[in-house]
Amino acid sequence: EPEVTQTPSHQVTQMGQEVILRCVPISNHLYFYWYRQILGQKVEFLVSFYNNEISEKSEIFDDQFSVERPDGSNFTLKIRSTKLEDSAMYFCASSVTGGQGTGELFFGEGSRLTVL
Amino acid sequence: AQTVTQSQPEMSVQEAETVTLSCTYDTSESDYYLFWYKQPPSRQMILVIRQEAYKQQNATENRFSVNFQKAAKSFSLKISDSQLGDAAMYFCAIIRMNSGYSTLTFGKGTMLLVSP
Repeated sequence: EPEVTQTPSHQVTQMGQEVILRCVPISNHLYFYWYRQILGQKVEFLVSFYNNEISEKSEIFDDQFSVERPDGSNFTLKIRSTKLEDSAMYFCASSVTGGQGTGELFFGEGSRLTVL
Repeated sequence: AQTVTQSQPEMSVQEAETVTLSCTYDTSESDYYLFWYKQPPSRQMILVIRQEAYKQQNATENRFSVNFQKAAKSFSLKISDSQLGDAAMYFCAIIRMNSGYSTLTFGKGTMLLVSP
């Protein structure tokens, strides 16, 4: 069964370093998302991406964050200069359709980012 | 803004028994979808069940059913004949219809423990 895959599963980095989290969405999906979950807190929406551009983003998704789909298969989240508070589990998701409410999101297993 | 509250951080159930996970939400929208997602340990979140707010009939999927009380803004999940494989974190989520993109708002989650 097709699934969303994420790499790395866990990354440890020093504060101020750049981090790239990678995702391979399901091949026929058109909408891509990043969510994150700080330990013990809610899963929070970061950004959605469609047709090679950001379609919606939350307040969390500031200038330190960027996303791109460099090669038609990967979908990446870059954090330019990591802060301690960026430590979280980052989930990638994809869907066939958009947010008419019918589009089921398929999630990856998550990438755990630890910033020291 | 939409909010989702799961007041039970953890629930326990024995195999073959029935358990109900609670979820309340708040939204100013009249049309929306509600979801329960399941996240087994170290695995991706998968959709368990979906409810359209305009439908009065409660959704069911095999052993999973919901009790949707629109006026009370309550959306509980009932798991019948619990199995060891049901042990997971369960997230309640909401999305407004015609939002354009699938921006889910999640609750904090309820960890379900299943004992033999």
